[in-house]
Amino acid sequence: LAKTTQPISMDSYEGQEVNITCSHNNIATNDYITWYQQFPSQGPRFIIQGYKTKVTNEVASLFIPADRKSSTLSLPRVSLSDTAVYYCLVGEVDTGRRALTFGSGTRLQVQP
Amino acid sequence: DSGVTQTPKHLITATGQRVTLRCSPRSGDLSVYWYQQSLDQGLQFLIQYYNGEERAKGNILERFSAQQFPDLHSELNLSSLELGDSALYFCASSVDGQNTEAFFGQGTRLTVV
Repeated sequence: LAKTTQPISMDSYEGQEVNITCSHNNIATNDYITWYQQFPSQGPRFIIQGYKTKVTNEVASLFIPADRKSSTLSLPRVSLSDTAVYYCLVGEVDTGRRALTFGSGTRLQVQP
Repeated sequence: DSGVTQTPKHLITATGQRVTLRCSPRSGDLSVYWYQQSLDQGLQFLIQYYNGEERAKGNILERFSAQQFPDLHSELNLSSLELGDSALYFCASSVDGQNTEAFFGQGTRLTVV
């Protein structure tokens, strides 16, 4: 199971772009990278998932270099409501033999 | 609203007791996951079911058990409760159980006194 390493916390200001990097040095060939967001006392919410290069949706972008040993979640122009814990998960998507495992996450604090 | 319903929202019980947490997945989702989140342990994966069958098992204690019924709702049974079992228990569901997008419920907060 690929282990992930993320910064414990990050601070930003409203309107700034925030990039959260996750390291996953032993990612396997069949593994995808998935990011979730969690507000206090709420269940996590899916943000984005990707395998390589770049994936973008209405909420965020996910950048994955060619070696796939790391990935970066990019949140454009954050607001106070983006204050949350962000989790990077790595695991197989096609077989589903193992459910995704959450690590410690990155606590993002957005200031006015 | 994720479409996943968990009941009850809050539960307070004494040590040694047994409780059942219930989860109704989103309409059309075949897979259900259970997670435990305590203050000092983060989100711990417990168990996953797909269309009634156990698919994956995580750090689930022997005192805990789960099942998924033919109507796809799931129950997590916690017995011989200990103070350390106090936590938020989340249920999530997904269409295919293949680690694509999972939708989480609001959780059940269990307090063991």
